[in-house]
Amino acid sequence: KNEVEQSPQNLTAQEGEFITINCSYSVGISALHWLQQHPGGGIVSLFMLSSGKKKHGRLIATINIQEKHSSLHITASHPRDSAVYICAVLDSNYQLIWGAGTKLIIKP
Amino acid sequence: EAQVTQNPRYLITVTGKKLTVTCSQNMNHEYMSWYRQDPGLGLRQIYYSMNVEVTDKGDVPEGYKVSRKEKRNFPLILESPSPNQTSLYFCASSLMALGPYNSPLHFGNGTRLTVT
Repeated sequence: KNEVEQSPQNLTAQEGEFITINCSYSVGISALHWLQQHPGGGIVSLFMLSSGKKKHGRLIATINIQEKHSSLHITASHPRDSAVYICAVLDSNYQLIWGAGTKLIIKP
Repeated sequence: EAQVTQNPRYLITVTGKKLTVTCSQNMNHEYMSWYRQDPGLGLRQIYYSMNVEVTDKGDVPEGYKVSRKEKRNFPLILESPSPNQTSLYFCASSLMALGPYNSPLHFGNGTRLTVT
């Protein structure tokens, strides 16, 4: 069983829809990262959080430490949001454990 | 512009021919790391460095070498590449020595390596 599991693996939605991507983990963590990988391959850090909620534009990331779960939400989704979204958790040895990613396609 | 620069973007080589993928950052970051990305496996860490002259193995270090002689540069060396090292490679850096514990990662654009 993977220590970091993302769901869904693939998600296709229409422009404007509210998107939720989930990340569950089984290890104790000190931080959780959400990253975006563009179709061209480049990777951009979106959020780093250890508690609560963070918001940046149309993106919202939440984490529930007790439930070992984080969600990434996209409001008013747009085709340019199409990308692979990756969750990574930092374990107690300060090593990142990576999820396999969620491929999101937003159709116009 | 603050960035992590990897070169080359694409590289095709033959088994056994030594190669180096360069990585340079201009943000005075302490932490640097190399990852490989393969379909269905996500990112896997090869080596990382918390500061100059300090390097440590990641999850998949076999067949790779690194060095950190200067803060800005962290080259990845494949002494004798093999086809199973065909992959997409990313260099990343982060401000603080603990890296992803207390600061976000900045990634290079990736190097697609093919070993025949």
